Amino acid sequence: KQEVTQIPAALSVPEGENLVLNCSFTDSAIYNLQWFRQDPGKGLTSLLLIQSSQREQTSGRLNASLDKSSGRSTLYIAASQPGDSATYLCAPARGYQKVTFGTGTKLQVIP
Amino acid sequence: DGGITQSPKYLFRKEGQNVTLSCEQNLNHDAMYWYRQDPGQGLRLIYYSQIVNDFQKGDIAEGYSVSREKKESFPLTVTSAQKNPTAFYLCASSIQHRQGARGANVLTFGAGSRLTVL
Repeated sequence: KQEVTQIPAALSVPEGENLVLNCSFTDSAIYNLQWFRQDPGKGLTSLLLIQSSQREQTSGRLNASLDKSSGRSTLYIAASQPGDSATYLCAPARGYQKVTFGTGTKLQVIP
Repeated sequence: DGGITQSPKYLFRKEGQNVTLSCEQNLNHDAMYWYRQDPGQGLRLIYYSQIVNDFQKGDIAEGYSVSREKKESFPLTVTSAQKNPTAFYLCASSIQHRQGARGANVLTFGAGSRLTVL
């Protein structure tokens, strides 16, 4: 059974800082991994999806990397802003019905 | 704008009542899903559907039922048999890969419905 761990569980940083969120998973036989953002009381918004054959994906200030063999993914946020404050979830997937979600990292960016 | 609409946003239920949560999508996605989110836990899959008139149990289907009579609609009924129904419920959809293709698709989520049992 896939297990997903996200460290740290919570993070508070000053505005402008670069930061890294970590995700580890136990079953490396995944097809892809998705990073999501969730604002309080809201649904999930997809940020990046990395296929198993890729090493990284970039979107604006976000960069996600994937090391499938070691069961790790990182989400790098450059020049953090208060609007980045949210919970970030990673979700490795092995098929459309076999998506496992981590419990997330709650990020607070202080102005 | 294309997206997923969940209603109601908040719902209160008395013990012993069945309630139905609505999920409608205009993305022309084939696959739809229901997840449950509890504090301190990752999302857990309740039911999913790949095509109209077909659906499969997820990891925690007991006490729930679904239907998929139309491509754009996937309502979830929380029955009185669900022992701990208070939670945040999320509906999602994705484009279905062709048969046998590997990989999950990008999941698009609705805004969620919060159910509280009184």
